[in-house]
Amino acid sequence: EPEVTQTPSHQVTQMGQEVILRCVPISNHLYFYWYRQILGQKVEFLVSFYNNEISEKSEIFDDQFSVERPDGSNFTLKIRSTKLEDSAMYFCASSEVAGGPYEQYFGPGTRLTVT
Amino acid sequence: LAKTTQPISMDSYEGQEVNITCSHNNIATNDYITWYQQFPSQGPRFIIQGYKTKVTNEVASLFIPADRKSSTLSLPRVSLSDTAVYYCLVGDTGGGNKLTFGTGTQLKVEL
Repeated sequence: EPEVTQTPSHQVTQMGQEVILRCVPISNHLYFYWYRQILGQKVEFLVSFYNNEISEKSEIFDDQFSVERPDGSNFTLKIRSTKLEDSAMYFCASSEVAGGPYEQYFGPGTRLTVT
Repeated sequence: LAKTTQPISMDSYEGQEVNITCSHNNIATNDYITWYQQFPSQGPRFIIQGYKTKVTNEVASLFIPADRKSSTLSLPRVSLSDTAVYYCLVGDTGGGNKLTFGTGTQLKVEL
């Protein structure tokens, strides 16, 4: 069964540093997403991406965040200057074009720890 | 987005059937009802989706009454590995739409 993969599984960084979280969505999917989950809290939507541009973003996704699909397979989330409160699990997801079931496939997540 | 309400937690024993009910009084005509499952430190996983009446797959059944103001996820004969958080989501099925997760229902299955 095809799956979404994410690297690294765990990233530790110091406050103020830049991090890039990587995702490889399912190959025939065209919609891509990032979500995050702070420990013990809800899964929160960050951003959706389609046709090489952001479709929607949440209030969390401020100027410190950016997304990119640099090579047609990888989908990245960059945090320019990390803060302590960015510590969370970050999940990448992908889905097919509209018309199918409302199903997003999630990756295993990257645990980001900001110290 | 329709607000959903589901129990915070449920306990069960192996082999029992578990029914988790979700209330969504403000569901819109275009909205589908979707359930996801999440194990600790893993991403959510789609379980089942429906619009009305009953939907069944190899994992679960989803019961939706005619007024669609609630839905019930039914897990037959649960095992320890079904211990997870279960989320009820209500929304438009358009591709690219964000998922809005609530706090979900923590199901704990014991021997």
